[in-house]
Amino acid sequence: GNSVTQMEGPVTLSEEAFLTINCTYTATGYPSLFWYVQYPGEGLQLLLKATKADDKGSNKGFEATYRKETTSFHLEKGSVQVSDSAVYFCALSMRGSQGNLIFGKGTKLSVKP
Amino acid sequence: EADIYQTPRYLVIGTGKKITLECSQTMGHDKMYWYQQDPGMELHLIHYSYGVNSTEKGDLSSESTVSRIRTEHFPLTLESARPSHTSQYLCASSASLSGRYEQYFGPGTRLTVT
Repeated sequence: GNSVTQMEGPVTLSEEAFLTINCTYTATGYPSLFWYVQYPGEGLQLLLKATKADDKGSNKGFEATYRKETTSFHLEKGSVQVSDSAVYFCALSMRGSQGNLIFGKGTKLSVKP
Repeated sequence: EADIYQTPRYLVIGTGKKITLECSQTMGHDKMYWYQQDPGMELHLIHYSYGVNSTEKGDLSSESTVSRIRTEHFPLTLESARPSHTSQYLCASSASLSGRYEQYFGPGTRLTVT
């Protein structure tokens, strides 16, 4: 079946460090891919998305590129801030699935000043 | 900015009580979802709806029930709360016509059953 695997956390970085959170997927077709972020005490917010191979999603300094050949959608940011501390979820949706999302297990990021 | 609301935000209740978690959205979305989030952060889909009078069970078996009488409203009910129901419950919605499959989430209800 379809699934998402993302790196286990927690990830602890110093402010201004480079961030990578790995995400790979297994899918029978061509999914749309998403990164969601959950700040403490809140619901999930869509961070970025990509709907086809080689698309790059970007938002708030975060980027992720849809790599069909490696079935990956790694999240990156060049310089993290304390305010980026949150839980990050990778997710996919298949056409014909009526919009249901399949989530990874989440990666908790803590950024220290 | 997504407009999806959940009440209450926090609820502490005793075993055996009946509870209803409210979820409303003002975006006219046809699809709505309920997720249960465990302490390890993992999300589990427990119910979803494609529109009025449509409800489906999700991937995780749940003793809760849902209803969808109005497009904007998707309440979740537990007839008899138990400590095993203690969790964070997240509601979400999406628009099927958009074709983009993005879901918008509410702030969540943190339920504690004592």
